[in-house]
Amino acid sequence: DAEITQSPRHKITETGRQVTLACHQTWNHNNMFWYRQDLGHGLRLIHYSYGVQDTNKGEVSDGYSVSRSNTEDLPLTLESAASSQTSVYFCASSESTGAGEKLFFGSGTQLSVL
Amino acid sequence: AQTVTQSQPEMSVQEAETVTLSCTYDTSENNYYLFWYKQPPSRQMILVIRQEAYKQQNATENRFSVNFQKAAKSFSLKISDSQLGDTAMYFCAFLSYNNNDMRFGAGTRLTVKP
Repeated sequence: DAEITQSPRHKITETGRQVTLACHQTWNHNNMFWYRQDLGHGLRLIHYSYGVQDTNKGEVSDGYSVSRSNTEDLPLTLESAASSQTSVYFCASSESTGAGEKLFFGSGTQLSVL
Repeated sequence: AQTVTQSQPEMSVQEAETVTLSCTYDTSENNYYLFWYKQPPSRQMILVIRQEAYKQQNATENRFSVNFQKAAKSFSLKISDSQLGDTAMYFCAFLSYNNNDMRFGAGTRLTVKP
C-alpha cells in the first residue's frame, strides 16, 4: 500500500546544530508539504512543493529550508536549530489534479531543541 | 490571508451523546473547501469530512455531519452517538481553490467519557 513515512519519529538536538527531517511518500503525489504543530496554533505551513525542483515558502518558513530532487522525498532542514523550533513536524502530500484534494499525512516527528 | 478559528479548546461528551464542535473562518473568496481532521493520541491525522463551498447540502459521513453556513462563514461538526474512539483533537481546515495552502484552526480537544 502507498504511504507517507517520516523519520525519525523523535529527535533531540542542541541549539545551533543543523537538523534534517526526512519525508518519503509512495503515492506518487506531486504536492508535498511540511507543517509544524504547536499548542494553540494548530498546524502551520512551513514549506511546500508542487513538483521536482519546485519549492515555496509557507507561513512560518524562517529558519527552515527544503529541497525536492525527486517526486518521493521532501527533506526539511533546520539550518541552525533554535529552542523556538521545538515542535511536532508533519509532512503531507496530495494529488495535483484539481483543488480540494485531501492531504495524506505522515505520523509526525517530535523535535526537541535543547 | 484566510484564518480559521476554533473557539472551543476543550470539550467533553458522554458516550452515546451528541456533540457539536464549532469552526468559523474568514475569507474573501467564493470558492473553497472545508475539512475536519481528527488526530487521536497516535498523532496520525485522519480526514473526517469534507465540504465544497459551492454545495449547499451539508456533508455527512456516518455519525459525522456538518452544518455549513456560508454567509456566516461557519462550519461546525456534529458527532452523533459519540464513541470512546472519538476521543481526539479535531482540526477545522480551509483550502482555497487558488492554491494548495491548507489553513488549520488551533484545534478542539474532545474527550468522550464512559
